[in-house]
Amino acid sequence: AAGVIQSPRHLIKEKRETATLKCYPIPRHDTVYWYQQGPGQDPQFLISFYEKMQSDKGSIPDRFSAQQFSDYHSELNMSSLELGDSALYFCASSLGLDTGELFFGEGSRLTVL
Amino acid sequence: AQSVSQHNHHVILSEAASLELGCNYSYGGTVNLFWYVQYPGQHLQLLLKYFSGDPLVKGIKGFEAEFIKSKFSFNLRKPSVQWSDTAEYFCAVRGGGADGLTFGKGTHLIIQP
Repeated sequence: AAGVIQSPRHLIKEKRETATLKCYPIPRHDTVYWYQQGPGQDPQFLISFYEKMQSDKGSIPDRFSAQQFSDYHSELNMSSLELGDSALYFCASSLGLDTGELFFGEGSRLTVL
Repeated sequence: AQSVSQHNHHVILSEAASLELGCNYSYGGTVNLFWYVQYPGQHLQLLLKYFSGDPLVKGIKGFEAEFIKSKFSFNLRKPSVQWSDTAEYFCAVRGGGADGLTFGKGTHLIIQP
């Protein structure tokens, strides 16, 4: 079965650079969530989209932005990168907001040097 | 805001031992509760979830969890663990109209052969 696809899987950037992560949800899933997991930490909710509109916002820095496109894929844009942004970024998708079951992608590991 | 507390950060067991991982949450309203597992180098996978109904829920791979509303707890159990259960286990809660899951800090489970 198709899963959540994230790209790139690994990304290395310098401080103050920008980075874009992509997420392709499971087909027919209309809801996308972004999470950030620092080393040895629990995943922290960043932002979610339902039917291409921002649905909820968590601890997403102002330097980050995201959107969901007409084909339901989502992109997380990160600017003015800081060392502390180094983390594993997970995308998850679900069918609707209330189903509860989030299917996670394998994550994009961002390293900021 | 919700919060999730997982009692044990590291647990080491021998194969065939019984497992119970504690999880408490702080939110007085209706919640959805989840346990996710993260095998080394892999993405989060749903073990089981509780929305309503029977407070004893059964998940994949022989895991089960019991929702005790009066104790705000959702402990994960398995009668007999296997070496392949070595992983990070996260308890998560969603409530109050929030989209995103709030995760606990995780429990690193090591099963010794």
